[in-house]
Amino acid sequence: GENVEQHPSTLSVQEGDSAVIKCTYSDSASNYFPWYKQELGKGPQLIIDIRSNVGEKKDQRIAVTLNKTAKHFSLHITETQPEDSAVYFCAASYQAGNQFYFGTGTSLTVIP
Amino acid sequence: ETGVTQTPRHLVMGMTNKKSLKCEQHLGHNAMYWYKQSAKKPLELMFVYNFKEQTENNSVPSRFSPECPNSSHLFLHLHTLQPEDSALYLCASSNGEKLLFGSGTQLSVL
Repeated sequence: GENVEQHPSTLSVQEGDSAVIKCTYSDSASNYFPWYKQELGKGPQLIIDIRSNVGEKKDQRIAVTLNKTAKHFSLHITETQPEDSAVYFCAASYQAGNQFYFGTGTSLTVIP
Repeated sequence: ETGVTQTPRHLVMGMTNKKSLKCEQHLGHNAMYWYKQSAKKPLELMFVYNFKEQTENNSVPSRFSPECPNSSHLFLHLHTLQPEDSALYLCASSNGEKLLFGSGTQLSVL
């Protein structure tokens, strides 16, 4: 089955700096890669996703990059703000399948 | 709001109680999931239902009993739980592409 690894497990950045979270996956059949943000006491919220037919996707301060050959994908947050503080999860899935494989999460703290 | 609604948001129960968690979505999604999230642990997939049929049961103890009466509703029936079952229980649904989560039920077993 698929195995998703996520690094780092914790990340602290100064407000205004960039944050990068990296994930690797093992199954070359995976073709859909979502990222979730989970705030304390809430469920994970889908913030951005990317399909394997593109290498990069951007939504305002958030971007995701995908390297299919190396089987890794990354979340980039620019101009970080205190409200970006949360736990971020990456996942991999075979689109049209029903299995989603999650990373172990990154706790991001943005220091004002 | 994601369109996936879970109730209750919080639940405290004794080890001899029976309770149920409820999840509903009206997004037209065909798959529904139960996940368990414990402190300092990764998300654990418990059950998957696809078009009301259970397609995944990840060796979950029988004290957790899922029910999916239709594609929009999912229940998790709980009985004789243990303190180590205290966790955030998350429901999710998918159309085969995007997976959307509810807000979760924070369960405490005393």
